[in-house]
Amino acid sequence: AQSVSQHNHHVILSEAASLELGCNYSYGGTVNLFWYVQYPGQHLQLLLKYFSGDPLVKGIKGFEAEFIKSKFSFNLRKPSVQWSDTAEYFCAVTSYSGGGADGLTFGKGTHLIIQP
Amino acid sequence: SAVISQKPSRDICQRGTSLTIQCQVDSQVTMMFWYRQQPGQSLTLIATANQGSEATYESGFVIDKFPISRPNLTFSTLTVSNMSPEDSSIYLCSVEADGDGYTFGSGTRLTVV
Repeated sequence: AQSVSQHNHHVILSEAASLELGCNYSYGGTVNLFWYVQYPGQHLQLLLKYFSGDPLVKGIKGFEAEFIKSKFSFNLRKPSVQWSDTAEYFCAVTSYSGGGADGLTFGKGTHLIIQP
Repeated sequence: SAVISQKPSRDICQRGTSLTIQCQVDSQVTMMFWYRQQPGQSLTLIATANQGSEATYESGFVIDKFPISRPNLTFSTLTVSNMSPEDSSIYLCSVEADGDGYTFGSGTRLTVV
């Protein structure tokens, strides 16, 4: 079975600081990887995804993530955070079986607070 | 990407009753997924609903407690049966959009009293 581990449950940063959120997954086959964000009171939004190809993927709002297969990692980064980045961040993984898409396995989430 | 309409957006229910949550997608999709997000927790997959067949449930979730219907390629319902306060959660439906990632509904916030 798949599992996802997010190392940082709570992160507090000042505006303009750099951000890196760790994500490791456990699965022996081919996976697709995602980062979702949940702003206070809002529903989940896709930040970025990795299916194949260039392991460095860029998403919305200046976020990027790097897939390192040898480390089973998919860390999220942003060079300079803003107060509006305060939110819950979820790493997720899925595989595609012969019957189509499987559901997502989520990490426990990282609560990010950006202080002005 | 697909647009999902989910309702109700929230409800407060008495223990022992049941609530049916509806999920409508603006395009035809093969798989629909139902998740639960308990207070302060991450999302957990409840089941996968494929049109024309019984839903596939994840470990810890059973059909008697969470019956699912999938009558066509754009619609699904999840029922939370015989509710207890422990069922208080946000329930979300999701679809996979043509290999482009997963879209989520806005969720149903359920409180059981």
